[in-house]
Amino acid sequence: AQSVTQLGSHVSVSEGALVLLRCNYSSSVPPYLFWYVQYPNQGLQLLLKYTSAATLVKGINGFEAEFKKSETSFHLTKPSAHMSDAAEYFCAANPRAGNMLTFGGGTRLMVKP
Amino acid sequence: DTGVSQDPRHKITKRGQNVTFRCDPISEHNRLYWYRQTLGQGPEFLTYFQNEAQLEKSRLLSDRFSAERPKGSFSTLEIQRTEQGDSAMYLCASSYSGRANEQYFGPGTRLTVT
Repeated sequence: AQSVTQLGSHVSVSEGALVLLRCNYSSSVPPYLFWYVQYPNQGLQLLLKYTSAATLVKGINGFEAEFKKSETSFHLTKPSAHMSDAAEYFCAANPRAGNMLTFGGGTRLMVKP
Repeated sequence: DTGVSQDPRHKITKRGQNVTFRCDPISEHNRLYWYRQTLGQGPEFLTYFQNEAQLEKSRLLSDRFSAERPKGSFSTLEIQRTEQGDSAMYLCASSYSGRANEQYFGPGTRLTVT
């Protein structure tokens, strides 16, 4: 069965610092991969997706993610954190022949002034 | 705004009562999904529809849970005889089958069972 692991349930960075949120998936066939952001008491907003067209994917709000098949990873980065980036981030996978998303446990990003 | 909408946003109910939630997907999307999210966890898949057909159900969806999408547009999720363990955020998402299953989520319904 597909599984998604997010290393680090909490990540704290200073404003202006690099953001790195880690995600690894388990599958012999690379699935479609997604990053979502969730602000308190809200639904999930799609940040970016990987569908095999390009290994470096750019998303909204300055975020990007790199797919590395050899490492079964899809880490999310942003060069310079902003206070408004503080939120919960979820990595999700969708098997190419499947329909449901499998989510990681989430990483709470805190941004210090 | 033509995003996914859910109603109500919050529901407080007493144990044993029945509750029903509604989800209106993005109009051109033919797939609709229900997920449950408990505090501090990622969402977990419950069920999904393509048009009006319910095509997949998770083992999480006990007999007390039922979902419908009668005309292939909005969907309802009913929980009968609620239990405290049902307290969670219930999220609805929709997608178009031709777009790598890119799912768009609604704001969720937070259920509290007392």
